[in-house]
Amino acid sequence: QSVLTQPPSVSGAPGQRVTISCTGSSSNIGASYDVHWYQQLPGTAPKLLIYGNSNRPSGVPDRFSGSRSGTSASLAITGLQAEDEADYYCQSSDSSLNGDVVFGGGTRLTVL
Amino acid sequence: EVQLVESGGGLVQPGGSLRLSCAASAFTFFSYGMNWVRQAPGRGLEWVSYISSGSTTITYADSVKGRFTVSRDNAKNSLYLQMNSLRAEDTAVYFCAREVGYDSNANYNVYLDLWGQGTLVSVSS
Repeated sequence: QSVLTQPPSVSGAPGQRVTISCTGSSSNIGASYDVHWYQQLPGTAPKLLIYGNSNRPSGVPDRFSGSRSGTSASLAITGLQAEDEADYYCQSSDSSLNGDVVFGGGTRLTVL
Repeated sequence: EVQLVESGGGLVQPGGSLRLSCAASAFTFFSYGMNWVRQAPGRGLEWVSYISSGSTTITYADSVKGRFTVSRDNAKNSLYLQMNSLRAEDTAVYFCAREVGYDSNANYNVYLDLWGQGTLVSVSS
């Protein structure tokens, strides 16, 4: 079991908006550790998508946005495109693990 | 081009050893903490190990503690993972990843901004 909990799958039609949740606890997200998101296209390495809860690295479209509240965080994707079909992972740190990196179990996004 | 390239993966028998390497290029490798992250077939990401820029801080996931050893050679811009007493459950693609750390809300936060392409380790008889 992963320290952070994500839904195994979400889906949406092209052009729609989808959200992916990431639920933690009082020792990670609830302890105000920031949340980061990665996109993993099939057969490739993960790529940083959102850092510091809501910041996009250069080159990431503004269709991707992130937020954090309480013990949870969310990734929103608007104007869904076929190329967005991928696995998405949230990541934070955990005080009970000496601040080590912790990941969510991942969410498979299917574009219908 | 700024990149990380892993090598050293392969097929090994249970109980065997393997050494992975990660070659960094086009950035100041000695300035960054580095991580190993693995992904078992069809599974999610699992953090494995961290080493600070000067090798003064090293941490491991409980699943590999006592069997894996992380090290780095800043002169060679290289990161290593020595894996001993390998088990079937260590079968995975192993990624090296560059860490960016910063202070926020009284916490030290980290994220992984650059990843290698991964190298496959298969443990099987």
